[in-house]
This record gives sequence, structure tokens and C-alpha cells, in this order.
Amino acid sequence: DADVTQTPRNRITKTGKRIMLECSQTKGHDRMYWYRQDPGLGLRLIYYSFDVKDINKGEISDGYSVSRQAQAKFSLSLESAIPNQTALYFCATSQTGEGEKLFFGSGTQLSVL
Amino acid sequence: KQEVTQIPAALSVPEGENLVLNCSFTDSAIYNLQWFRQDPGKGLTSLLLIQSSQREQTSGRLNASLDKSSGRSTLYIAASQPGDSATYLCAVKAGSTLGRLYFGRGTQLTVWP
Repeated sequence: DADVTQTPRNRITKTGKRIMLECSQTKGHDRMYWYRQDPGLGLRLIYYSFDVKDINKGEISDGYSVSRQAQAKFSLSLESAIPNQTALYFCATSQTGEGEKLFFGSGTQLSVL
Repeated sequence: KQEVTQIPAALSVPEGENLVLNCSFTDSAIYNLQWFRQDPGKGLTSLLLIQSSQREQTSGRLNASLDKSSGRSTLYIAASQPGDSATYLCAVKAGSTLGRLYFGRGTQLTVWP
């Protein structure tokens, strides 16, 4: 089983719909992140959380919200999806103090029509 | 703002060649630097992490070096194999444990038999 699991793997939705992407981890890490990847733009940070009560905006948080339901779970919501949110979304984890190597999920390909 | 550049954007080599991928960054006040591998449709896998106090890290046929003063890192792949074909990304963590990661756009490597 994967250490960092993202669901769903693929999602097609329509403009204006609310979408939730979920991430769970079994690594016991305290830090969790949401990134999006667009062709030619690399990875950009949406939100990150250093523990359950800590939520921080990344460089492109507009149009997104997150919830850290437990240490192992971090969900990303698109309140009203728009076409330019079509991208590959990654969840990642790291542990404070252990070199902070990042571990990624397999990604969610989201298409907004 | 930290900017991370990877050159070349794409590289195609025959099997068996030794090769070097380059990563440069604009702000030398980094906490660490990571090299990742990304296969199509999959997440990122951390290959090597170099702390700011280190000069290099090795894992099997991979060797990563770090020169903070010049803002450069290289990933050396020895005796390349077709299975090494993937996109390689470097990411720089800003100057503290609370800092965020800045990603380059990657080098797409193809190793042909």
C-alpha cells in the first residue's frame, strides 16, 4: 500500500461545481502539502500544514481551501471549479527534523470543463 | 524570491553514457536541496537530499553535489540505463525549517538502448 494516498486518481467536473480531493498518509509525518503541476510551470504550492492546528497559504491559494481533519488526513477543496484549475494535483508529506525529505502521492488529474 | 532553473529542459542519450543534470538557484540562503524523479502519470520520488552544510550525496549510480556560493547543484548519473528515463526535478528549501520549497521545471531525460 502506498504511504501517501490520493483520491480520486482522475476527476472530470464542470465549471461551478464544488470538488474535494483527499489525501491520507501512513507515514506518521506531521507536515502535509498540496501542490499543483501545470505543463511548463512546474509545481506550485497551494496550501501547507505543519500540524493539525496549523494551516498556511502557499503561492496560489485563491479559489482553494483545505482541511486538516487529522494528522493523517489533508483535503483540498475547490469551492467553485473553473477551467484554469485543470491540472495535476499532488499531496506531499514530510517530517519535521528528519531532513524534511518530501514524499508525494501519485497525484489527481483534475479536468474542469 | 527564490528562482530555480534547470538546464537542459530535455536530454536524449544512448545507454551507458554518464550524464550531468544542472540546477541553479538565485538565493544561496537555502536550508536544503532535493532531487526528484517523476515518471509519466506518477508522483515524485525523492532521490537525494543535500543539507545546506553538505557538499554532496550519493545513492547507487547517482551523485548530487551542492555549491551554495555559486547557487548550483548537479545530479550525476553514471552508466545510464533506459530505466533512468524520466523527468528529474530539483527543489530548494528556503533558509529555515519553516521555509517553503521552490521547484525547477525539470529536465526530461530519455535514455535509448
